[in-house]
Amino acid sequence: AQSVAQPEDQVNVAEGNPLTVKCTYSVSGNPYLFWYVQYPNRGLQFLLKYITGDNLVKGSYGFEAEFNKSQTSFHLKKPSALVSDSALYFCAVRVRYGNNRLAFGKGNQVVVIP
Amino acid sequence: GAVVSQHPSRVICKSGTSVKIECRSLDFQATTMFWYRQFPKKSLMLMATSNEGSKATYEQGVEKDKFLINHASLTLSTLTVTSAHPEDSSFYICSARTRGLAGMGEQFFGPGTRLTVL
Repeated sequence: AQSVAQPEDQVNVAEGNPLTVKCTYSVSGNPYLFWYVQYPNRGLQFLLKYITGDNLVKGSYGFEAEFNKSQTSFHLKKPSALVSDSALYFCAVRVRYGNNRLAFGKGNQVVVIP
Repeated sequence: GAVVSQHPSRVICKSGTSVKIECRSLDFQATTMFWYRQFPKKSLMLMATSNEGSKATYEQGVEKDKFLINHASLTLSTLTVTSAHPEDSSFYICSARTRGLAGMGEQFFGPGTRLTVL
């Protein structure tokens, strides 16, 4: 079965500094990887995904993520964090030809300090 | 992008009553819909998966008689929390997936419903 690990509970970063949210995955097939963001009392908003091709994926709001097969990682990055980036971030994985369910990580609270 | 709506966004009910939450895909047909439950500052827990016209598949530990799911059409799924109790209070999120090759359609999420049972 597929699983995702987001090792940190909370990530604190100063506004303007680079932001990194870590994610590692475990699957038995080819992974489809996703990042979602959730603001308080809201549903999940799609940020970006990796399906195939270029390992560096660019998404919404200036976010990007790099697929690293050897390290089974898909860390989310943003070069310069904004206070409005403060939210809960979820990494998720699906397996092609698998049960097609999204497996979510536990989520990371990102706090951008003005 | 595709839009998924949920209604109501917030509901407060008395213990013992039933509550129905609607999930609609507004501009696409959803062959599969998912219902998740989320506790404060926690990840999403998949409750059940429903395909249009067939019975929902519930995850282990989720009571199907407690959480009734109906996927009557390609754009509507409902979750009914029957005989609600305070421990059912939670944030419920639905998700709808489009058709796709090998079942790999895009998955879109609703805005969530905050249920509070008094």
